[in-house]
Amino acid sequence: GAVVSQHPSRVICKSGTSVKIECRSLDFQATTMFWYRQFPKQSLMLMATSNEGSKATYEQGVEKDKFLINHASLTLSTLTVTSAHPEDSSFYICSAGTASGDTDTQYFGPGTRLTVL
Amino acid sequence: GNSVTQMEGPVTLSEEAFLTINCTYTATGYPSLFWYVQYPGEGLQLLLKATKADDKGSNKGFEATYRKETTSFHLEKGSVQVSDSAVYFCALSDTGTASKLTFGTGTRLQVTL
Repeated sequence: GAVVSQHPSRVICKSGTSVKIECRSLDFQATTMFWYRQFPKQSLMLMATSNEGSKATYEQGVEKDKFLINHASLTLSTLTVTSAHPEDSSFYICSAGTASGDTDTQYFGPGTRLTVL
Repeated sequence: GNSVTQMEGPVTLSEEAFLTINCTYTATGYPSLFWYVQYPGEGLQLLLKATKADDKGSNKGFEATYRKETTSFHLEKGSVQVSDSAVYFCALSDTGTASKLTFGTGTRLQVTL
């Protein structure tokens, strides 16, 4: 149980275009979803936290207008990187937490590797 | 604020060697502590966790004990295998529900034959 999927797993786009990444909880309701960014050989950096039906809370230094997060249902959150530039190339990871069962654990998706040319 | 400090890697061991990866933390209150593992090309997987002092988390031969007095959560395994080669992240969350995780920088483990 507690499976989180991400789509796509890899995406290559041209500079200036927008890219949407989906994060789904497959077998549980995710009351909270988190988006992270991971640079090569570094730890995960939390970008934002989103609760279903409300606006995301962004970490300091993360541009909310550039990284749009939508958490429209208890099983789906999306991250849209708008007007992507090469410096946005990274590994983006989502995780989900649940209000029932194991409430103190986040379940991670497999990640999406974004390459901006 | 919260912080997690892990020993720097990479850690290179021969198969069947004993493993210790040190992790210490700084937090207010009583955090939950976690070890996550990231295998090459994959996402993070929860390896084990402990939610209160003196708890021992264990999974797949790995163990870690929540030591409040030393603010530590060191990861150990008695006999590593090549398949254990991965990056290991220590993390904490500061409330009882899935909340913001603070990660350490990760320790890469390489196990050779």
